[in-house]
Amino acid sequence: EDKVVQSPLSLVVHEGDTVTLNCSYEVTNFRSLLWYKQEKKAPTFLFMLTSSGIEKKSGRLSSILDKKELFSILNITATQTGDSAIYLCAVEVLTNFGNEKLTFGTGTRLTIIP
Amino acid sequence: DVKVTQSSRYLVKRTGEKVFLECVQDMDHENMFWYRQDPGLGLRLIYFSYDVKMKEKGDIPEGYSVSREKKERFSLILESASTNQTSMYLCASSLPYRRDPLRYNSPLHFGNGTRLTVT
Repeated sequence: EDKVVQSPLSLVVHEGDTVTLNCSYEVTNFRSLLWYKQEKKAPTFLFMLTSSGIEKKSGRLSSILDKKELFSILNITATQTGDSAIYLCAVEVLTNFGNEKLTFGTGTRLTIIP
Repeated sequence: DVKVTQSSRYLVKRTGEKVFLECVQDMDHENMFWYRQDPGLGLRLIYFSYDVKMKEKGDIPEGYSVSREKKERFSLILESASTNQTSMYLCASSLPYRRDPLRYNSPLHFGNGTRLTVT
């Protein structure tokens, strides 16, 4: 069974701090790893990672994948209150029928205190 | 922009009722998915479909069925609702990898969710 594990489950930090969110996985037929941010409604896409060691960056957010050790991290520097959200990690895998599906982790609830 | 529309934002049903959750996407996506989201458990895949009339079980299909009669519409059916099916239900759609191998856009586009309460 495919498994995606995120840690910590929740995190409370002060505005301006840097945070690192973790995602490890055990899946068959790996295609890619994705990060999403979820506030009140639908998750919004942040990054897709397919290759080890290549950092993806968007403003204060960055992410990297290690396919040998089967994990990814999401870094947020100089956090702001608007970063408060649930951060979801998902792994895209190929099914036995040759189609794709995403398996999600439990998410990390990040709270930024002003 | 891809639009995935779920028919209801909030729904309250009684135990034993048959419940239909509808999802429509407007981008000609082959793949459609139903997830449920519960605190501390993340998003769990119930069923998915990769073409009209095709379906695959996800990780927690028990108590649910699905229908995909048209490409744009994917329905989730609770045959006899129970209180443990109270949850947030999220529908999503995507292009298959063969049509979007570089995945410049998000591989998964979500609806806004239906919060179902079964009493």
